[in-house]
Amino acid sequence: QKEVEQNSGPLSVPEGAIASLNCTYSDRGSQSFFWYRQYSGKSPELIMFIYSNGDKEDGRFTAQLNKASQYVSLLIRDSQPSDSATYLCAVNRGATNKLIFGTGTLLAVQP
Amino acid sequence: EPEVTQTPSHQVTQMGQEVILRCVPISNHLYFYWYRQILGQKVEFLVSFYNNEISEKSEIFDDQFSVERPDGSNFTLKIRSTKLEDSAMYFCASSGWGNEQFFGPGTRLTVL
Repeated sequence: QKEVEQNSGPLSVPEGAIASLNCTYSDRGSQSFFWYRQYSGKSPELIMFIYSNGDKEDGRFTAQLNKASQYVSLLIRDSQPSDSATYLCAVNRGATNKLIFGTGTLLAVQP
Repeated sequence: EPEVTQTPSHQVTQMGQEVILRCVPISNHLYFYWYRQILGQKVEFLVSFYNNEISEKSEIFDDQFSVERPDGSNFTLKIRSTKLEDSAMYFCASSGWGNEQFFGPGTRLTVL
């Protein structure tokens, strides 16, 4: 079982729609969860993090965490073509807080 | 806004040569990391560094790899004898007291 699993996509949504990205993780002891955006050939850019069960909103982005189901998601409202990128889910692990990444979901927002 | 910087952006080397990748973390950050991403694959943890010593390293981080913080600002990754399979993007990241890690732009290493 992979530590962090994501559907690789591509997830295609029309401009203005809500994009929903999902991630599951295997370690029940995981405490912190991160969403990074990665444009092709670029580095991961932190867009959201969440530590507690429930929802956390920041602008057009909402992160949702359900520790009982070991599930974390990212909603992007009013999707724009500039949101087209790979979205990486990451979980921190251990005393050093190293990040364990999923393989990412490619999002394509169609104008 | 402070950011992590990395040099060079692209390094081409011959197999067996030594390379040093450089990073300048965000100035008040305390925890430093190196990750790599082979083309088409996921981002993988290599090593974490805190208080001037390695705090954790992955299986990938074998004896060919070393890290150093030679002064108050730079953080380097050295690969002693590069192999073809070391070709990848190498990302430096740093974090402060919080858990959030901020990544540099990366160095693309090509081993011929």
